[in-house]
Amino acid sequence: SQTIHQWPATLVQPVGSPLSLECTVEGTSNPNLYWYRQAAGRGLQLLFYSVGIGQISSEVPQNLSASRPQDRQFILSSKKLLLSDSGFYLCAWSRSGFSGLREETQYFGPGTRLLVL
Amino acid sequence: AQKITQTQPGMFVQEKEAVTLDCTYDTSDPSYGLFWYKQPSSGEMIFLIYQGSYDQQNATEGRYSLNFQKARKSANLVISASQLGDSAMYFCAMRDRFRFGNEKLTFGTGTRLTIIP
Repeated sequence: SQTIHQWPATLVQPVGSPLSLECTVEGTSNPNLYWYRQAAGRGLQLLFYSVGIGQISSEVPQNLSASRPQDRQFILSSKKLLLSDSGFYLCAWSRSGFSGLREETQYFGPGTRLLVL
Repeated sequence: AQKITQTQPGMFVQEKEAVTLDCTYDTSDPSYGLFWYKQPSSGEMIFLIYQGSYDQQNATEGRYSLNFQKARKSANLVISASQLGDSAMYFCAMRDRFRFGNEKLTFGTGTRLTIIP
């Protein structure tokens, strides 16, 4: 079965510091990978998605970036954090390829709570 | 552009009663998928149920069923015999097929369900 991991679980960082959040998927190959952000009490905002190694699409221009150095690894980074970067960051995966929509259900990791002070 | 509307920010339901969470959507694509996720206080997004736009029957998964009314563009989640563990945020989401490789899920703002003993 497939599992998705995220770390760290929680993070408190000062404004202007760098950020690196990691997401890894097990039990599948060539997954589609996604980074979402959820502000307190709000819905999910898609930040980045990737359909393959080195292939990153950005949905929202901001000071965050994403990379996919390996097939099942997705990293969210920032060189200098802003207060507005605080939130709950969720990584998700789905099967790749043009298959039925049901098969492309997105499955989420446990998330990382980021507080920028 | 896709849009998902959840008009109930919060609901209180007596334990063992059935509950309906509303979701309406808007898309110009004839092929799309609708998803419901549960987010308990731990933060993880848990996939509950999927409905395809061409599915002839309403989706069911255990105590969860989806009341899909295509003409009205609604996809309400029904939870039968509610339990205390059902207390959580519930998100409706949609994925369309407008562009091949369009991997985006659009989420509603969510409904916070509280089950009362």
